[in-house]
Amino acid sequence: KNEVEQSPQNLTAQEGEFITINCSYSVGISALHWLQQHPGGGIVSLFMLSSGKKKHGRLIATINIQEKHSSLHITASHPRDSAVYICAVPSGEASGSRLTFGEGTQLTVNP
Amino acid sequence: NAGVTQTPKFRILKIGQSMTLQCTQDMNHNYMYWYRQDPGMGLKLIYYSVGAGITDKGEVPNGYNVSRSTTEDFPLRLELAAPSQTSVYFCASSYGVGWGGRAGNQPQHFGDGTRLSIL
Repeated sequence: KNEVEQSPQNLTAQEGEFITINCSYSVGISALHWLQQHPGGGIVSLFMLSSGKKKHGRLIATINIQEKHSSLHITASHPRDSAVYICAVPSGEASGSRLTFGEGTQLTVNP
Repeated sequence: NAGVTQTPKFRILKIGQSMTLQCTQDMNHNYMYWYRQDPGMGLKLIYYSVGAGITDKGEVPNGYNVSRSTTEDFPLRLELAAPSQTSVYFCASSYGVGWGGRAGNQPQHFGDGTRLSIL
């Protein structure tokens, strides 16, 4: 089974700061997922990436397959970015139909 | 498209009661999942289905049952509710196969969750 560790668990920032959230996993993968859980509880998929870097607006996700590590960056953070950010990887079985989730990083951005 | 719809949004049960959490999706996804999320913990997979008529256990299946008679619907049944089943439950779905032939290479679409308390 793939083990997923996220850091930090909690992060408080001032509006405008550059944010980095880290994710490490134990077993080689074909793709890594970043998700966002809103304060109201809803969960949305932000990125799915297998190599390099992806960018959506102020969010950037990077992955280093050799080091089994991914980072999620938020540039010019805003209070509306306050949410839980979750990393997930395929569980390791052949079909890859299941994901293993990290415990999430609670981000609070203060105005 | 409505996406993934879960009902009810909130429910309080007494110990020993049973109930069914409903989940339906209108995206014609083959794969569907049920997760529970306890405070401060990551999502844990209860059951999943790779298509109508096929279900399989996840990490924490005890105390739950599922069925998948249609592509759209994937209800989760709680029998003999226990306080340990107090949690937030999420249903999700995804396309069957992504790049490399692996379902883990497709994004999952989540419902809004069901907050269940057992007293």
